[in-house]
Amino acid sequence: EAGVTQFPSHSVIEKGQTVTLRCDPISGHDNLYWYRRVMGKEIKFLLHFVKESKQDESGMPNNRFLAERTGGTYSTLKVQPAELEDSGVYFCASSQDRYTGELFFGEGSRLTVL
Amino acid sequence: AQSVAQPEDQVNVAEGNPLTVKCTYSVSGNPYLFWYVQYPNRGLQFLLKYITGDNLVKGSYGFEAEFNKSQTSFHLKKPSALVSDSALYFCALRVFNAGNNRKLIWGLGTSLAVNP
Repeated sequence: EAGVTQFPSHSVIEKGQTVTLRCDPISGHDNLYWYRRVMGKEIKFLLHFVKESKQDESGMPNNRFLAERTGGTYSTLKVQPAELEDSGVYFCASSQDRYTGELFFGEGSRLTVL
Repeated sequence: AQSVAQPEDQVNVAEGNPLTVKCTYSVSGNPYLFWYVQYPNRGLQFLLKYITGDNLVKGSYGFEAEFNKSQTSFHLKKPSALVSDSALYFCALRVFNAGNNRKLIWGLGTSLAVNP
């Protein structure tokens, strides 16, 4: 069974540019999460999808971030325009059951904004 | 306030010795606690969790964790460390947002180095 896959693994962009991160969850997992780890800080929750619906987007930092999950399969996280403080590792995770807390993570997408 | 603390940035241990990675938490209500591990160039992997029941929880790769309510701790342990256990370890606490939504809040992580 394929795990959670994320693309790209690393992206380097200039401030003001746009970047789109993609996450393919484990097949059959309705729950999809985005988390972010900024260098030296803790991993922080961004948002949670149940199928194609945003269940909780309380962690999204501002309106420069847009997450979608059309059709309830893969998800994209777009940052537009990117700022220096957006640099970090963006993790995607999926789960079958949103109550247990056991999440399956991708390897992360490292974003560097120069 | 709900929070998770991992007081040690790095833990060094010799192969074959027991290891402990510390985690303390603060939460109102019953804690749901987790340990995840990140090996180099890999994603986070679930190790174990405490929801209720026995205070000693057993997980993957020979790891276990001891829940201590009075000390608000959930330390990760292994009786005999392996070089391959060298990785970044994260403690996490499940909390509830408005609308009964659940999310994990995380410690800063502890880098474990097991020396041959």
